[in-house]
Parts: sequence; structure tokens; C-alpha cells
Amino acid sequence: EAGVAQSPRYKIIEKRQSVAFWCNPISGHATLYWYQQILGQGPKLLIQFQNNGVVDDSQLPKDRFSAERLKGVDSTLKIQPAKLEDSAVYLCASSLRGSGTSNEQFFGPGTRLTVL
Amino acid sequence: TQLLEQSPQFLSIQEGENLTVYCNSSSVFSSLQWYRQEPGEGPVLLVTVVTGGEVKKLKRLTFQFGDARKDSSLHITAAQPGDTGLYLCAGAEAGGTSYGKLTFGQGTILTVHP
Repeated sequence: EAGVAQSPRYKIIEKRQSVAFWCNPISGHATLYWYQQILGQGPKLLIQFQNNGVVDDSQLPKDRFSAERLKGVDSTLKIQPAKLEDSAVYLCASSLRGSGTSNEQFFGPGTRLTVL
Repeated sequence: TQLLEQSPQFLSIQEGENLTVYCNSSSVFSSLQWYRQEPGEGPVLLVTVVTGGEVKKLKRLTFQFGDARKDSSLHITAAQPGDTGLYLCAGAEAGGTSYGKLTFGQGTILTVHP
């Protein structure tokens, strides 16, 4: 079974530029998550999709971050414009369902973003 | 916002030693998960504990969920260099419309020297 795919793996941009990350979840997984992991910290949930609908984006900085999941499969996360503090690893995860005590999330390898 | 405090943040030990990592919160979680993350990779689930007081063993790793479902511990016996990595605990919110949202601790970086 193929895992969660993410691209690019690395991205270096200057502040105020735009960047987009792509995620392809595990086939059949209804729920997709985007996390931000700053060096030395645990992942922080940015947005959670159930199929193609948003169920939680309470920690997404909506003035500069946006995400979409068209057709309930692939997803893109965009930052526009980027700030220095956005430097982090952006992790995508998927799960078969979005709730339940045994809800296992499968993570992709992440995209490491450096903002100069 | 529910918070999970992990301790210690860093652990550097010799091969063969035992260690314990703690995960504490003032909030109740419906379940708690432990993940291991290696450099350049995403976290990988090790175990999920659901019932208060539950103990699960995975080879040399022992996981325990507190009776009140607010805290958990990970104990590794006879650590090996292959155990090196970032260990993360994550709590699933209890009830409401949380949709299985996970709150992660800040992680414990474990280094096991040969």
C-alpha cells in the first residue's frame, strides 16, 4: 500500500514570496490533515478535511495560509506571502475516518520550508 | 486549547540503559497515541492507549495510560541505537465535535550511544 506522498520535499524562498505544497493521501482515506512542525516542537494542526469539506481550521493563519482539497483526494496548502516564522516542516497526514478512539493517522515525509 | 507536556525534552543514554518518557496534561483525552519520528520522515504510530490504567507492551517498549486519562508514560528497556529518534505523544480530544483532533506534545529527542 502506497503511503502519503508530499512534494516538494524541500523549498527555500524569500520572505513575502508565495509557496504551495501538495499532498496525495492514502487511497480511500476520507480525512486529510495539514500540520506545521517547527524545529524542536511537536506538530501543530493547521487544517483538517473530511472528504472535501473543512472540519477544523481554527489554527490556520487565514490572512496568509489557504488550503483546498478538490474532489476529496489531493490537497494543496499555500502560503502567501511567507514570513520568516513560517520556516518549518509541513506534514500531511491522512486517516480512514476522522474520529474514533482508534483513529490512526498516517504521515507523509513532510516538506521542509526555509524562508530567508 | 488542550496542552500536553512531555519530559524530558532531551535524553542521551548509553546502549543497554533503561529510560522513561512522560506525557502530562490537565485535560482528559479519549485516547493517547505515541509516535516515533526519524529525521526527514513523518511520525509513525507506535501505539494507541484508550482505557484508563491500560498498559501495552511492544517488544522492549511499555506504554501506560494514567487512570484519569490525563497522562501517559513510555518506558524503554535496554535501549539500542536503533531506538534513537523523536518520540511524540498525542492526545485525542474527548467528546464534542473534535472530529478526532490530535494535540501533540513537544517531543522527546532520544539519542542512544553504542
